[in-house]
Amino acid sequence: GAVVSQHPSRVICKSGTSVKIECRSLDFQATTMFWYRQFPKKSLMLMATSNEGSKATYEQGVEKDKFLINHASLTLSTLTVTSAHPEDSSFYICSAPIGGRENGYTFGSGTRLTVV
Amino acid sequence: QQQVKQSPQSLIVQKGGISIINCAYENTAFDYFPWYQQFPGKGPALLIAIRPDVSEKKEGRFTISFNKSAKQFSLHIMDSQPGDSATYFCAASTTGGGNKLTFGTGTQLKVEL
Repeated sequence: GAVVSQHPSRVICKSGTSVKIECRSLDFQATTMFWYRQFPKKSLMLMATSNEGSKATYEQGVEKDKFLINHASLTLSTLTVTSAHPEDSSFYICSAPIGGRENGYTFGSGTRLTVV
Repeated sequence: QQQVKQSPQSLIVQKGGISIINCAYENTAFDYFPWYQQFPGKGPALLIAIRPDVSEKKEGRFTISFNKSAKQFSLHIMDSQPGDSATYFCAASTTGGGNKLTFGTGTQLKVEL
């Protein structure tokens, strides 16, 4: 089945540094990638939608300059958390629709970011 | 703005019992309602989904019941097993909504022996 590979699964970084999270579609072309943030025992909150070859669309309240999203190819989308702070610590998950919407969405395995 | 409300927040069920999780939505434009299962430290995985033109869909031990007039839908897990212990999310999306999913708040299910 369609798989999105997300890396890294866990990362610890120092405040002020930047962290890049990658999501690769392994056996299909992901023209769209959704990026979510999830706090412990909470729901998934959509941060932004990336489309291959165009600028990402951010949800209201999400800082574009802090969460840089790049979707340079049909198989790779990246999220870079810039100048990370402890409050950016969270679980980040990517997701891509598989063909049409009725086929569902495949999710990456998530990245646990801890900023110290 | 929370457009999909989910209950209960947590649920404990005995092995072999029926787990029931409920969701209610506000946006009448929603026309696709999936349920996801998430284990700790993992991304969600699609369990089952329904469109509003049917009132029920069953796949194995999992059944979705849909009440369009009440704007409610529920997940029933029959013969619940300890391996079903996970967090379950309902979700909804609209045609033309850019394939965006709006998630419910999640239900932590624990199935005890």
